[in-house]
Amino acid sequence: AQSVAQPEDQVNVAEGNPLTVKCTYSVSGNPYLFWYVQYPNRGLQFLLKYITGDNLVKGSYGFEAEFNKSQTSFHLKKPSALVSDSALYFCAVRDMWGNNRLAFGKGNQVVVIP
Amino acid sequence: SQTIHQWPATLVQPVGSPLSLECTVEGTSNPNLYWYRQAAGRGLQLLFYSVGIGQISSEVPQNLSASRPQDRQFILSSKKLLLSDSGFYLCAWSEDGGTDTQYFGPGTRLTVL
Repeated sequence: AQSVAQPEDQVNVAEGNPLTVKCTYSVSGNPYLFWYVQYPNRGLQFLLKYITGDNLVKGSYGFEAEFNKSQTSFHLKKPSALVSDSALYFCAVRDMWGNNRLAFGKGNQVVVIP
Repeated sequence: SQTIHQWPATLVQPVGSPLSLECTVEGTSNPNLYWYRQAAGRGLQLLFYSVGIGQISSEVPQNLSASRPQDRQFILSSKKLLLSDSGFYLCAWSEDGGTDTQYFGPGTRLTVL
């Protein structure tokens, strides 16, 4: 079964500094990988996904993620964090065999300090 | 463009009372539909998913049930709520046969007292 690990409960970063949120995955075959963001009392918003092709994926709000097959990682990055990026971030994976289920990580709380 | 609606936004119910949460999707046809619960500890738990009218897969045995009476309508129900049913309930949809990017609704905050 597929699974995702997000090892850090909280990531603190100063405004303007680079932001990285870590994600490693386990899946049979090639993965489909996703990042979502959740603001308080709101639904999850889709940020970006990796299906195939270029390992660097660009998404919404200036975020990008790098797929690394050898390290089974899909870390989310932003070159310069904004206070408004403070939110809960989820990594998710599904397998390539048409399984409808996404496996979500437990989420990372990002706090951007002004 | 596609939109997904959930109601109500918040709900406070006594233990033992029934529950009905509704989710509807606009701007697409034959979507895959999902119900998740997010407990206070933040993790997402898949409860049910549906690939078509009347087709429901249950992921976790529990006090809840789901139904899909129409193509773009997904309902989460309970006959008798438990305290442990409290949480944030999220509905999501994805395209049938696509890469299964799931798009989430705004959620319903359920408190069982």
